[in-house]
This record gives sequence, structure tokens and C-alpha cells, in this order.
Amino acid sequence: AQKITQTQPGMFVQEKEAVTLDCTYDTSDQSYGLFWYKQPSSGEMIFLIYQGSYDEQNATEGRYSLNFQKARKSANLVISASQLGDSAMYFCAMREGSRAGANNLFFGTGTRLTVIP
Amino acid sequence: GAVVSQHPSWVICKSGTSVKIECRSLDFQATTMFWYRQFPKQSLMLMATSNEGSKATYEQGVEKDKFLINHASLTLSTLTVTSAHPEDSSFYICSAKDPRTNTDTQYFGPGTRLTVL
Repeated sequence: AQKITQTQPGMFVQEKEAVTLDCTYDTSDQSYGLFWYKQPSSGEMIFLIYQGSYDEQNATEGRYSLNFQKARKSANLVISASQLGDSAMYFCAMREGSRAGANNLFFGTGTRLTVIP
Repeated sequence: GAVVSQHPSWVICKSGTSVKIECRSLDFQATTMFWYRQFPKQSLMLMATSNEGSKATYEQGVEKDKFLINHASLTLSTLTVTSAHPEDSSFYICSAKDPRTNTDTQYFGPGTRLTVL
């Protein structure tokens, strides 16, 4: 089974509007971390936001927030007030296990976001 | 913030030659670095985990004799593609785990686009 599922290959959003990018995950570990990365056309992977499995509050970083629903195993990224520079591929990723042990990140297939002027 | 550099950003080589790609953590020491490969319009595929002072751990299906990894210091890991062939053409991207965070966040380099003629 896929550990990270991103069901939206592409999304469009009007400039200044908010958009939600979906991500569901599959793990039997109690301790895990969820990450979102942005990959513009230049190719670099830019870290956006992190949510730990034990974090009770949804993570926020500026215009980015993570809608963490643990029972549903979803970790959707919300981008508020979209800007043209937000157009990029967005990847959801998960690290399983305790911080002391696990290393690997499992990536989803990504969602291409296009912001329309 | 955590900065990871990669060199070169792109390289074109002839079939049969070897290519070395460097990954450096610029403002932190990284005991663990990762090497990924990304095909066009696809997600990142972990190739290997590079540990300073010990042998790299390769993912299933990745030829260790083909993709040589050396983690020479706490700030440098290198990936050498030996006897490169056209099918090795891809986007290679490294990441480093920032030990200063309590989230095990991986910060990525800008990537290296390899084209083998």
C-alpha cells in the first residue's frame, strides 16, 4: 500500500484565494512526522511545514497551514492568499518512527498547483 | 535556516565516463545525508542514506557499485555515477538532516541534472 497518497495531480486557484492540497497517509506507527515540500520548476525542494503525530495543534507557517486529522490519517496543506509564485509542484512526505531512529522520508506523487492571475 | 548546496547543477557527459556530484551542508553539520533520484514528472525515489564515517545504506534495486557514495565529512557527501549510460540520465537531489531541529527535517540541495549522451 502507498504510504502517502496525493489524489490531485493538478489544481488551479485564483490569485488571492485559498487552496487546499490533499494528502492521506498510511502507517501503523504511533510516532511519525508529516512534511510538505514545494518544488518550483527550478527543481529545488523547499521545506514548507512540519506536523508531528503528537502535536495537538495544527502547524502553521505564514500563509501555510496544515489541516491535521489524525483519525482520518490526513494532512492537507492549506495555502491562503495564493500568489503567482506559489505555482509549483507540492509534495507531501512522511517520516515513520521515533525521532531517534527513523530516517527515511516517503513521498507522495505530488500535486501541481497553478495560480491564475 | 538550513542551507544545502549541490554541485554541479547540471552536467553532460559521454557514455562510459564517471560523474561526481557533491552535496554540502553549509551552515550545519549533517551526520546523515540522503540521495534521491527523480524522473520527469515523478516523485522522488530514495537511492541511499549516507552516514558520516560509515558505509552508505542503499535501497533495494540500487546498484552500490554503480552509484558510489562517500560521506567524507560532516558537511560533505558525494555521489559518483560510474560508467554512466543514457539510462542514468536523471535529476539527482540530495538532502541533509538538520540535527538542530527536533523534527528530523530534511533540507534539500538544488539538485543536479545529469544527461548522458
